[in-house]
This record gives sequence, structure tokens and C-alpha cells, in this order.
Amino acid sequence: SVLTQPPSASGTPGQRVTISCSGSSSNIGSNYVYWYHQLPGTAPKLLIYRNNPRPSGVPDRFSGSKSGTSASLAISGLRSEDEADYYCAAWDDSLSGVVFGGGTKLTVL
Amino acid sequence: QVQLVESGGGLVKPGGSLRLSCAASGFTFSDYYMSWIRQAPGKGLEWVSYISTSGSTIYYADSVKGRFTISRDSAKNSLYLQMNSLRAEDTAVYYCARGIAPGWDYWGQGTLVTVSS
Repeated sequence: SVLTQPPSASGTPGQRVTISCSGSSSNIGSNYVYWYHQLPGTAPKLLIYRNNPRPSGVPDRFSGSKSGTSASLAISGLRSEDEADYYCAAWDDSLSGVVFGGGTKLTVL
Repeated sequence: QVQLVESGGGLVKPGGSLRLSCAASGFTFSDYYMSWIRQAPGKGLEWVSYISTSGSTIYYADSVKGRFTISRDSAKNSLYLQMNSLRAEDTAVYYCARGIAPGWDYWGQGTLVTVSS
């Protein structure tokens, strides 16, 4: 994948976990980052748009940040229902298209 | 409420064609950019194509350029994806989604396309 995410992450209930997303100057470095989560067998759901705002209905336990060519998704107060796959996405000026990270499978221990 | 319902998936032989549809309701379809995104079995998300509100701006992923065609019909509140010269690697669940890529706020439930002999 053009954007690089760790394949897995884990935490215990109540913990704070962070998922990273690394790109380049043509994508994260010059465009907004978006985050999605996906439960098994369901469509992805938008968690974070334009680097850090949350759509209505997304708990404030989820937060996004961006610095240079990298971005992060932080989840605080981890809950069992947060166990899902998480994807970052951005527009890539060189490719003239959307690029995704490979996804991070979050396990709540 | 916003609804996006994909249809048209199925089993097709390599080299064959398929046309996917996405029926939109609950919002003013002509006001929104739309996209197709796919997910191969057990794999991550891959953006396929997007189309502007008027249809005048269209982008494709390199992996489908020249083989797939996105279109929309505002009179029918529908988005389409014409897929030609299908390959095994096109096997995936295909989602339609609303919004300016890559900020999609609503997604359909997906339709499975299987390319196999």
C-alpha cells in the first residue's frame, strides 16, 4: 500500500492506543487524511475527516492528528466494541487518485 | 435516511463484463460526488473511481483505467460502474460511497463480484 500502517495493534479496556499512517509529500504531506473503521462483514465507517474533525455520532474518544507526511489515530478509553480494522486514506497528487493504508487490525485484550 | 444500495454483482468469466448499479435515496443525489471502492476477500480497501456532481470530472485507479467506466444518472438517482475485460484480481466486494474522495460519509452494503472460470 502507498500509505503504511502497522498490521496490528492491541490494548486493554480503558487504555489509549495509537495507530500510525505514514505517507509521502504527494499524499499526506499535501492533502487531508481520513480514517475509517470496519467491523467484519460490514461497510467501512468514517471516523475522522480532514485530519481531525469527527462526523456527528463518532465519540470524542477518537482523535486524529497529522504532522508532515505522517498521521495518527488515537483511541482513548478503549472498549471491546472498538475491535475492528482501521484504515487511513488520502488523495495522492502524483497518482491523481485515492490511496489507502493497508489497514490495522485492533484487538481489545 | 440516506441509503445506497448496490446491485449487479455476480460470477463472471475472465475477460467478461459486468455492470454494477448503486441506487441512492434519502438525499439530493445530484449534489454529491460519488465513488466506487472495492475490497478483495480478506484484503484491504482499494479506491476504484470517482465522479463529480455533473459527471465532468472522473478519476480512475491505474488498476482499472481503460477497462472500467463510471457514470451517473441523476434522473434515476443512480451511480454505475461498467466493468469490461475482467480479471481474477478484480474479484472483490464493490462499495459505492457518497462524498468528495476520500471523505465518504455514507457507504452501501456492497456487492460481490467474482471473476473465475
